[in-house]
Amino acid sequence: QVHLVQSGAEVKQPGASVKLSCKTSGYTFTHYGISWVRQAPGHGLEWMGCISAYNGNTRFTQNFQGRVTLTTDTSTNTAYMELRSLRSDDTAVYYCTRDPPSTTAAAMFDYWGQGSLVIVSS
Amino acid sequence: DVVMTQSPLSLPVTLGQPASISCRSSQRLVYSDGNTYLSWFHQRPGQSPRRLIYRVSNRDSGVPDRFSGSGSGTDFTLKISRVEAEDVGFYYCMQGTLWPWTFGQGTKVEIK
Repeated sequence: QVHLVQSGAEVKQPGASVKLSCKTSGYTFTHYGISWVRQAPGHGLEWMGCISAYNGNTRFTQNFQGRVTLTTDTSTNTAYMELRSLRSDDTAVYYCTRDPPSTTAAAMFDYWGQGSLVIVSS
Repeated sequence: DVVMTQSPLSLPVTLGQPASISCRSSQRLVYSDGNTYLSWFHQRPGQSPRRLIYRVSNRDSGVPDRFSGSGSGTDFTLKISRVEAEDVGFYYCMQGTLWPWTFGQGTKVEIK
């Protein structure tokens, strides 16, 4: 069975950084990629970017370009998302979801993590 | 960016009755491989989204057959043939054809 298990909730001050993890199991990690999607309280879903676990290529939306770093650790089948220069409007639940191995391929989003709540507050 | 517009945004339904959600894209969603990457997701309160339908009309494993997807080009529809209590929550369409991937605003389905 495919599982994506995310790290726990974080509370950060404005200007700080946060690094979330997404540990996968039940499939060959390097045969797929991981996308990150966030959902602000009471709002819809916003795709942030994706990373190929096959070759490490990344792709981001303009909203997050330069402020997000995506990485993977193929030894532990884990993906990471680091968001810098946090603002109050970054308060959201952040989800990881499975994607194709190529960042230029069409999206999959067939399996999702349980989400990680990030609260940005002074 | 491709704008995905869902309607209605709120859908009160009676148990056992059908329900339908529309999703329109601002551009045609046919990918270079000839497929149309339009998916539907269901999200219950406090839970992660769950993919129900992929490539317009293909049901994911374990999704009840009362759910069906249809459409082409820029107009797509999710139908529930007979609404059950567990179907409440938000439904989102998403296009995975044209970068960046984008979601509809969501439709809230609730029981009357």
